[in-house]
Amino acid sequence: GAVVSQHPSRVICKSGTSVKIECRSLDFQATTMFWYRQFPKQSLMLMATSNEGSKATYEQGVEKDKFLINHASLTLSTLTVTSAHPEDSSFYICSATNHRGGSYGYTFGSGTRLTVV
Amino acid sequence: GEDVEQSLFLSVREGDSSVINCTYTDSSSTYLYWYKQEPGAGLQLLTYIFSNMDMKQDQRLTVLLNKKDKHLSLRIADTQTGDSAIYFCAENRGNQGGKLIFGQGTELSVKP
Repeated sequence: GAVVSQHPSRVICKSGTSVKIECRSLDFQATTMFWYRQFPKQSLMLMATSNEGSKATYEQGVEKDKFLINHASLTLSTLTVTSAHPEDSSFYICSATNHRGGSYGYTFGSGTRLTVV
Repeated sequence: GEDVEQSLFLSVREGDSSVINCTYTDSSSTYLYWYKQEPGAGLQLLTYIFSNMDMKQDQRLTVLLNKKDKHLSLRIADTQTGDSAIYFCAENRGNQGGKLIFGQGTELSVKP
């Protein structure tokens, strides 16, 4: 079945540095990738939707200059948390789909736990 | 409202059935999903239902969909301790680029 690889699984970084998280679809072409953020014991909050070759669409309240998303190919999307601060510490999960017209398949990565110290 | 809503906690005894409920918002959603998340892990797709279906059964899992009330439920038969996890329902918002919107999650606790 469809597999999405997300790296790194865990990262600790210092305040003020930037962190890049990669999301790769291994055996299918992902026309659309989604990035979510999850706080402990809470739901997944959609941050942005990215379509290959175009700019990401950010959800209301998500700073696009803070969370840079690049979807340069049909198999890779990256999320860069710029100038990270402790409040950016969270669990980030990507999801990929190749749906056209609403098919059902969303494949999730295993998530990245970011801790900013 | 805009939110997909679920009750936050459910506790059952091993062997009993569990029923997790969800109210979604978008009547144009074509697919509705149930995901399972174990501590520190990603999401595992359990099952999904197409919006023109009322019921779908897959081994121990039964999904019921009431489209009129925008109500979705997941029944787990013969619940086991390994079923303890957080369960999320999600709706596919087809008229918003297909993005998947999640409920708050229901923490299922199975006691031996």
